[in-house]
Amino acid sequence: NAGVTQTPKFRVLKTGQSMTLLCAQDMNHEYMYWYRQDPGMGLRLIHYSVGEGTTAKGEVPDGYNVSRLKKQNFLLGLESAAPSQTSVYFCASSYSNRGSTEAFFGQGTRLTVV
Amino acid sequence: DAKTTQPPSMDCAEGRAANLPCNHSTISGNEYVYWYRQIHSQGPQYIIHGLKNNETNEMASLIITEDRKSSTLILPHATLRDTAVYYCIVRAEGTGRRALTFGSGTRLQVQP
Repeated sequence: NAGVTQTPKFRVLKTGQSMTLLCAQDMNHEYMYWYRQDPGMGLRLIHYSVGEGTTAKGEVPDGYNVSRLKKQNFLLGLESAAPSQTSVYFCASSYSNRGSTEAFFGQGTRLTVV
Repeated sequence: DAKTTQPPSMDCAEGRAANLPCNHSTISGNEYVYWYRQIHSQGPQYIIHGLKNNETNEMASLIITEDRKSSTLILPHATLRDTAVYYCIVRAEGTGRRALTFGSGTRLQVQP
């Protein structure tokens, strides 16, 4: 049982390049989330998904797109990377958001845009 | 979700109890108090949560005041590995809110 796995763990991009971050969970969770964390700050929600085929915007969605084609995977895309997107990205999943359930987090993807 | 207030940092001696306070004076009746921690830029880790009763698990105890306006996370015997940022989060259930909202947390430094 791997929990939540993020790929890649590290990446350096040039301004304007694109990339996709992959989050995979093997717990059959319905809800998945993408957060970013800038140095010395708390996590901020980018996008989230409440089920396969559905996505919604979080607090800081601009410059990102997401897709949830399969229940176990949640992809975060950067179409044209900017230095302001240098951050650590965390994916999380939870079984249900209706009850008092915990969220499980991946170990993060450290992205640097130069 | 109700706003939470935590001290930015705290120190604790190894082997002693660490008591981390959280103020959530505007909490509503259907809002739970959650505690997570983040060790050195790893992904946040769930610790414990509660609604109105005190809760205990293998990691910690959660004490919620009777009026629910504040709570305390207790690590009974802190170790160096408990050095982390601790987040107190209040989340409503059944209101359509979809994700945890993280503040700045409390940076706990366990001293040897």
